[in-house]
Amino acid sequence: DAGVTQSPTHLIKTRGQQVTLRCSPKSGHDTVSWYQQALGQGPQFIFQYYEEEERQRGNFPDRFSGHQFPNYSSELNVNALLLGDSALYLCASSLRRAGELEYFGAGTRLSVL
Amino acid sequence: QKEVEQNSGPLSVPEGAIASLNCTYSDRVSQSFFWYRQYSGKSPELIMSIYSNGDKEDGRFTAQLNKASQYVSLLIRDSQPSDSATYLCAVKDGTSYGKLTFGQGTILTVHP
Repeated sequence: DAGVTQSPTHLIKTRGQQVTLRCSPKSGHDTVSWYQQALGQGPQFIFQYYEEEERQRGNFPDRFSGHQFPNYSSELNVNALLLGDSALYLCASSLRRAGELEYFGAGTRLSVL
Repeated sequence: QKEVEQNSGPLSVPEGAIASLNCTYSDRVSQSFFWYRQYSGKSPELIMSIYSNGDKEDGRFTAQLNKASQYVSLLIRDSQPSDSATYLCAVKDGTSYGKLTFGQGTILTVHP
């Protein structure tokens, strides 16, 4: 049973560039959430996708956008990268239900130079 | 005021001791509570969930929840060096699309 998979594992970009991160949820899960974790901090919620729609969004600018595909996989796009976007980006999958357990992928480490 | 606060670390305990990790939350409508363990350079790993007041035990781990005091804790009995990690407290509200809100984490070191 495959867990949550993310790609790529590491990424280096320069300021102003755009980046796309990918996530495949755990088998049987239909909801994908994205989190940003800066060094030494807890993860911060970016947004959540269910049935191919953004259902909830955290306090992140419009430079952060996403998509969910019919097979439940998801992408996170970040435009006009800033140095402050350097972080570990985590994808979590779950079944749509309040309180349902969220399982994290290994994350993508993004460095913006 | 932060939404989820954890006791400041780092916390250092000897092998075999009980490690106590604490967390308070501000949103009274919170319904679900989780503890994640995160090793350095890795992603968070779910170790406990708790939804009702009281204690929940799973092996060496016990989660405690007091909704009236808006307090949740994690006890690790017989601590091992392999328990050394950052422990993250997370809270989810009761909405259909509830998001996880995390504390800043507590670094635990278990020394032999």
